[in-house]
Amino acid sequence: DTAVSQTPKYLVTQMGNDKSIKCEQNLGHDTMYWYKQDSKKFLKIMFSYNNKELIINETVPNRFSPKSPDKAHLNLHINSLELGDSAVYFCASSQDTQYFGPGTRLTVL
Amino acid sequence: AQTVTQSQPEMSVQEAETVTLSCTYDTSESDYYLFWYKQPPSRQMILVIRQEAYKQQNATENRFSVNFQKAAKSFSLKISDSQLGDAAMYFCAYRSKNTGNQFYFGTGTSLTVIP
Repeated sequence: DTAVSQTPKYLVTQMGNDKSIKCEQNLGHDTMYWYKQDSKKFLKIMFSYNNKELIINETVPNRFSPKSPDKAHLNLHINSLELGDSAVYFCASSQDTQYFGPGTRLTVL
Repeated sequence: AQTVTQSQPEMSVQEAETVTLSCTYDTSESDYYLFWYKQPPSRQMILVIRQEAYKQQNATENRFSVNFQKAAKSFSLKISDSQLGDAAMYFCAYRSKNTGNQFYFGTGTSLTVIP
């Protein structure tokens, strides 16, 4: 009965590779998000989709591309990974209240 | 954009004692939501408590309660009878009811519980 799930939970990869993180919510929410949490624990909004439509697109390198095939899914694809992309990435969904996935710890070597 | 300020990067409390975490926010809106989230070492972000701005009564969830001062734009979290499992990073967050779906987060307060 997981509310917001994301896979994988851990991702270790080499610089220059392309990787994807998947997110699914079964709460029936209209809005989904991607956040990046750095080593200082700051939570930074990256993207937000409402009913599959992009509504928030913060200053994020265009190597990051979100894809929402339907209202329950929001995937994050990252091209040409760099050392600075190492962080924890959270998916979330909301109606009034926001609920988070378990996070994906990405390590770029 | 709205801003959320948590002025205490770190706090500590003795087990079984009470601690209050501070949060202030800046907005020109009259109706909005406020939240506290807990992030333990497991890194899961867990909703602790939620307050709707039009409700004057302070929200309470078991040992967690808030002191919501709308005029002062203050939203502090009180943890009573602190337990070792309360040790975590705590984030305050704001969401407008009227202007979209964006949540604004503070920078967090790291709470240590001393046995």
